[in-house]
Amino acid sequence: NAGVTQTPKFQVLKTGQSMTLQCAQDMNHEYMSWYRQDPGMGLRLIHYSVGAGITDQGEVPNGYNVSRSTTEDFPLRLLSAAPSQTSVYFCASSPGQYNEQFFGPGTRLTVL
Amino acid sequence: AQKITQTQPGMFVQEKEAVTLDCTYDTSDQSYGLFWYKQPSSGEMIFLIYQGSYDEQNATEGRYSLNFQKARKSANLVISASQLGDSAMYFCAMADQFYFGTGTSLTVIP
Repeated sequence: NAGVTQTPKFQVLKTGQSMTLQCAQDMNHEYMSWYRQDPGMGLRLIHYSVGAGITDQGEVPNGYNVSRSTTEDFPLRLLSAAPSQTSVYFCASSPGQYNEQFFGPGTRLTVL
Repeated sequence: AQKITQTQPGMFVQEKEAVTLDCTYDTSDQSYGLFWYKQPSSGEMIFLIYQGSYDEQNATEGRYSLNFQKARKSANLVISASQLGDSAMYFCAMADQFYFGTGTSLTVIP
């Protein structure tokens, strides 16, 4: 089992560019989520999904879109990158909302 | 409103001693879960321990235990017999939506 995989590991964007951060899990987990981690802020929930076809906003959703067409994949789209979106992004999955979350290795994104 | 509060930005502990990392939470839900994660300098998030709101016994996992005081809304992590490899950031989190605290940086001194 690969667990939770994220691509790319590092990315540099220019302001206004768009991109998609990929996240996949092979554990058949229903619950998936995206977080951003900024220095001194802990992890903040961006979007989450309780199953294929269902997504919802977390604490800091502005500037990001998600979709969940399959159980395995949960991509995060940045529509028009801004320097404030410079952060480390983590994807996580779990069997349910009250279960341990398994985290991917993270994507370090820099927006110039 | 902040759901999880970790008031210790940094802690130091002598190797082989025990240390307590504080966590308080805020919720009006009856059903919730409390988690602790470790993040070493390499950046990955490592699950340590879980406590359900209806669990009557404090959770334990090896050298980790969770001191759960429901009335006080606290869920402190106790690490016994600290090791050098315990030096890391430690985050408390609460579900159903995962809210994370700002973390505590633990340094174990040889």
